[in-house]
Amino acid sequence: AQTVTQSQPEMSVQEAETVTLSCTYDTSENNYYLFWYKQPPSRQMILVIRQEAYKQQNATENRFSVNFQKAAKSFSLKISDSQLGDTAMYFCALVSNSNSGYALNFGKGTSLLVTP
Amino acid sequence: GAGVSQSPSNKVTEKGKDVELRCDPISGHTALYWYRQSLGQGLEFLIYFQGNSAPDKSGLPSDRFSAERTGGSVSTLTIQRTQQEDSAVYLCASSLDAGGYEQYFGPGTRLTVT
Repeated sequence: AQTVTQSQPEMSVQEAETVTLSCTYDTSENNYYLFWYKQPPSRQMILVIRQEAYKQQNATENRFSVNFQKAAKSFSLKISDSQLGDTAMYFCALVSNSNSGYALNFGKGTSLLVTP
Repeated sequence: GAGVSQSPSNKVTEKGKDVELRCDPISGHTALYWYRQSLGQGLEFLIYFQGNSAPDKSGLPSDRFSAERTGGSVSTLTIQRTQQEDSAVYLCASSLDAGGYEQYFGPGTRLTVT
């Protein structure tokens, strides 16, 4: 069975600072994809970043970057220059062929609060 | 282009009533997913469609839940004889195909069973 673990239920960061959200996972698959999704209070789930497991290079999207450690099965998200609009729930998710239809297998989420 | 839409946005129903939740995916997306988000269970996968076909229904919580998709487009999730434990946000997502593609989510339907 696949598992995704987010060990930080809540985090807080000051505006303009950097914060790292942790995610570990377990899968027996060699080919899989990892995602970070953001869910603000509006409830709309938005993709933040995507990483293919076969790629060694860490994915980046503007202020968002990941530290993908395949051997350690770790996939952390770094948010640089945090903004008030980054306040949201952040979900780490895993997809592979062993998931029905490549459905997302989500962690429990980390609630991030960005303060002025 | 238009994103994934869901209706209704909110639904309050009495225990024992049937409800239908609708999802309109992004045009051209062949894969469609339903998830449920609740405080106790987090985000759970319910069912996915590839075209009009749902190859695996094992994620549905009980036989009171059913889903269909017509014309490779709109999908409805039906809950019969609703129970209080069905109260949750029901999220729909679509993607270009079933694979490691990005899934685009709708705004969800918040279901409250009283």
